[in-house]
Amino acid sequence: EVQLVESGGGLVQPGGSLRLSCAASGFTFSSYWMSWVRQAPGKGLEWVANINQDGSEKNYVVSVKGRFTISRDNANNFLFLQMNSLRAEDTAVYYCAAAGAVAGRRWYLDLWGRGTLVTVSS
Amino acid sequence: DIQLTQSPSFLSASVGDRVTITCRASQGISNFLAWYQQQPGEAPKLLIYGASTLQSGVPSRFSGSGSGTEFTLTISSLQPEDFATYYCQHLNSYPIMFGRGTRLEIK
Repeated sequence: EVQLVESGGGLVQPGGSLRLSCAASGFTFSSYWMSWVRQAPGKGLEWVANINQDGSEKNYVVSVKGRFTISRDNANNFLFLQMNSLRAEDTAVYYCAAAGAVAGRRWYLDLWGRGTLVTVSS
Repeated sequence: DIQLTQSPSFLSASVGDRVTITCRASQGISNFLAWYQQQPGEAPKLLIYGASTLQSGVPSRFSGSGSGTEFTLTISSLQPEDFATYYCQHLNSYPIMFGRGTRLEIK
């Protein structure tokens, strides 16, 4: 079955760290750009970061740059998000997504996990 | 940064209605635009990419159009399962951005 399964969310204090994981199965993980997208409670979607197929290119939204690091393990089909210096405004459901729909040299997110909730609070 | 403005933010309609949602970009993004549908408590689902290409498995009542700065998502005949929130997203340049969403509710 083609799927993405996130884990690693939970409650963390401001200033703390958390590492999210995303296990991919059912497709050739190493062929896909991968992204993290988050959604604060009751709010819209926010793209957080993405990484290319071999991990040589990484991009971040400004609000997490220098605090979050995206990485991948193609041998074991995992995507990661290391989150440091967490703030209350990082509280959200974090989705892992694979970009498998291609048009005009752009890769669109066509496979999503169910998300993992990160709560930053004292 | 390129901003996306969706309108309306809220839409009330009936089963069988034809509805159109608009997404305007603050600068030209060619056709590097996608539309997603999100049901409450679920992950987003890709509907349209490249502004007008229908994702595999998505019903043909959904269509997308536009290029440059103005884009539309049209649902030709609303079905009960279409009542959800819809987001546009651009991939023209970093940072990738989503619109703020359009919540479609049953009248």
